[in-house]
Amino acid sequence: GAGVSQTPSNKVTEKGKYVELRCDPISGHTALYWYRQSLGQGPEFLIYFQGTGAADDSGLPNDRFFAVRPEGSVSTLKIQRTERGDSAVYLCASSLKGHSSYEQYFGPGTRLTVT
Amino acid sequence: AQSVTQLGSHVSVSEGALVLLRCNYSSSVPPYLFWYVQYPNQGLQLLLKYTSAATLVKGINGFEAEFKKSETSFHLTKPSAHMSDAAEYFCAVIPGDSGAGSYQLTFGKGTKLSVIP
Repeated sequence: GAGVSQTPSNKVTEKGKYVELRCDPISGHTALYWYRQSLGQGPEFLIYFQGTGAADDSGLPNDRFFAVRPEGSVSTLKIQRTERGDSAVYLCASSLKGHSSYEQYFGPGTRLTVT
Repeated sequence: AQSVTQLGSHVSVSEGALVLLRCNYSSSVPPYLFWYVQYPNQGLQLLLKYTSAATLVKGINGFEAEFKKSETSFHLTKPSAHMSDAAEYFCAVIPGDSGAGSYQLTFGKGTKLSVIP
């Protein structure tokens, strides 16, 4: 079946602009996660959705970052007033349920470059 | 809180040689442990996971890892490297209880494996 998909695959934007990154999880997966992978680092947790609600947004670096999942499927990560330090690969993952015993399946990521 | 340390940001082995990628963890509760592989421009793929059953875990593509509680280690091995194994490998941990954060993967910084023909 189809895996996790993310669009766009690459996004180049100017400092100060607004961007939206989209994630389509595996059908039927109730849990959705966003991670950020900076150059030379492992992915870092940003936010976790269980259904439509953000169950844990403790990893969001500041209030310029926001994510939604209005119908419990597709999610959008929104970044306002982008800064050069936001440049990274943003990874989305989904799992059947939100617990360690359920495998997280990752999408290919969106590479964001802020110039 | 949990953390993961991967020794060696870059490992090179000859084709057919043993692959050993090191991972040490710290966790306040017995953890679940994972190894993921990332090929260029692709997402993370799960190689194997430890969930408190057998301490020796076998995964895909001939990889295996052994959980050693006394050493807080979960090293990844493969007896004979293949060219197609060249990729970046990440070790990750999740707290094994049902408390806060029992879904949040904490990753190491990764080890890039090169295979020399």
